[in-house]
Amino acid sequence: AQSVSQHNHHVILSEAASLELGCNYSYGGTVNLFWYVQYPGQHLQLLLKYFSGDPLVKGIKGFEAEFIKSKFSFNLRKPSVQWSDTAEYFCAVNGGYQKVTFGTGTKLQVIP
Amino acid sequence: GAVVSQHPSWVICKSGTSVKIECRSLDFQATTMFWYRQFPKQSLMLMATSNEGSKATYEQGVEKDKFLINHASLTLSTLTVTSAHPEDSSFYICSARDRASGSVSGANVLTFGAGSRLTVL
Repeated sequence: AQSVSQHNHHVILSEAASLELGCNYSYGGTVNLFWYVQYPGQHLQLLLKYFSGDPLVKGIKGFEAEFIKSKFSFNLRKPSVQWSDTAEYFCAVNGGYQKVTFGTGTKLQVIP
Repeated sequence: GAVVSQHPSWVICKSGTSVKIECRSLDFQATTMFWYRQFPKQSLMLMATSNEGSKATYEQGVEKDKFLINHASLTLSTLTVTSAHPEDSSFYICSARDRASGSVSGANVLTFGAGSRLTVL
């Protein structure tokens, strides 16, 4: 079975600070990895995805994530956060079957 | 881009009644739709996978007779919570996968609806 673990439940940062949200997954085979974001009052949106190739993937709004196979990790990063990045971030994995499994989410609060 | 519309966005019902939630893909055909349930401060829990023209596949622990799923067309899936009770109160979210993705690398990208908040009194 596949599973996803997000280490931080609530992160508070000041604007311009750097961000890294941890995500580890468990699955024995080839995986597809995702980060979704849910802004206040809005629905889930795809931030970025990894299927294959370059393990460093870039998404929208300056976010990037690095797939490290040996560590079963797919951490999300952004060099300098903005107040508008305040949202909840979900890491997700799809391990070959149709279903996508989500982590518990990390609430990011950016203080102006 | 792909848009999924979910209706109603919130509903309040009395215990024992049934509630239907609709999930529509507006500008694409979705062979597969997924229904998730989200509890406060918890992750999204997959309830079932809905395939157009066939029976839904339910996750372990999800009652098939309580959560009826119908995927009658390539653009519509419905979730009916039958004989709802207060413990069924939750946030239900649907998502869809674009049929055009097929089996290529983008196949597992999901588009989400806005969710439906169900409160059972």
